Amino acid sequence: DAGVIQSPRHEVTEMGQEVTLRCKPISGHDYLFWYRQTMMRGLELLIYFNNNVPIDDSGMPEDRFSAKMPNASFSTLKIQPSEPRDSAVYFCASSSVNAEQPQHFGDGTRLSIL
Amino acid sequence: GQQLNQSPQSMFIQEGEDVSMNCTSSSIFNTWLWYKQDPGEGPVLLIALYKAGELTSNGRLTAQFGITRKDSFLNISASIPSDVGIYFCAGRKAAGNKLTFGGGTRVLVKP
Repeated sequence: DAGVIQSPRHEVTEMGQEVTLRCKPISGHDYLFWYRQTMMRGLELLIYFNNNVPIDDSGMPEDRFSAKMPNASFSTLKIQPSEPRDSAVYFCASSSVNAEQPQHFGDGTRLSIL
Repeated sequence: GQQLNQSPQSMFIQEGEDVSMNCTSSSIFNTWLWYKQDPGEGPVLLIALYKAGELTSNGRLTAQFGITRKDSFLNISASIPSDVGIYFCAGRKAAGNKLTFGGGTRVLVKP
């Protein structure tokens, strides 16, 4: 079975540029999560969706960050404008409607803002 | 954000040794999960615990859900080189599907 698919795997761009990260959850999963991982702060939940609707975006650091889920098989996390402190690994995870089912993670996007 | 207190932060292992790590919180969780992350990859689920007091094994891994629901531990028996990586605990409360993660335990091989 295909797992959570993220693209790109690596992104290097200059500060001020718009960055778009993409995620395809596991088919049939109703929950989708975006995380950010850094050495200093570990794994932080940014936002999560249930049935394509954002449920909790309290972890989104600033208005420069936005996330959408236009359908059940696709989500984006956008940073505009990007800053060097946004450099991190961004993970997408999904889980099923059964709340006891654990989250499955993608392999992440390593983002470097110069 | 809120994090679970995971210890130790890092440890060195020698092949064949048993390894233990734990996670504590001031809050009660209804589910405890243990993940392992290899370099360049996302966390992979090792064990899920759903009931207080539950002891669950997955091969050489054993994890327990603390009676108070505020802690969990993970044991790795007879460690092998591929056990190297970062292990994360995660807790989930009753409402919603959010996970709170520990800071991770980095397992390294003794030189």
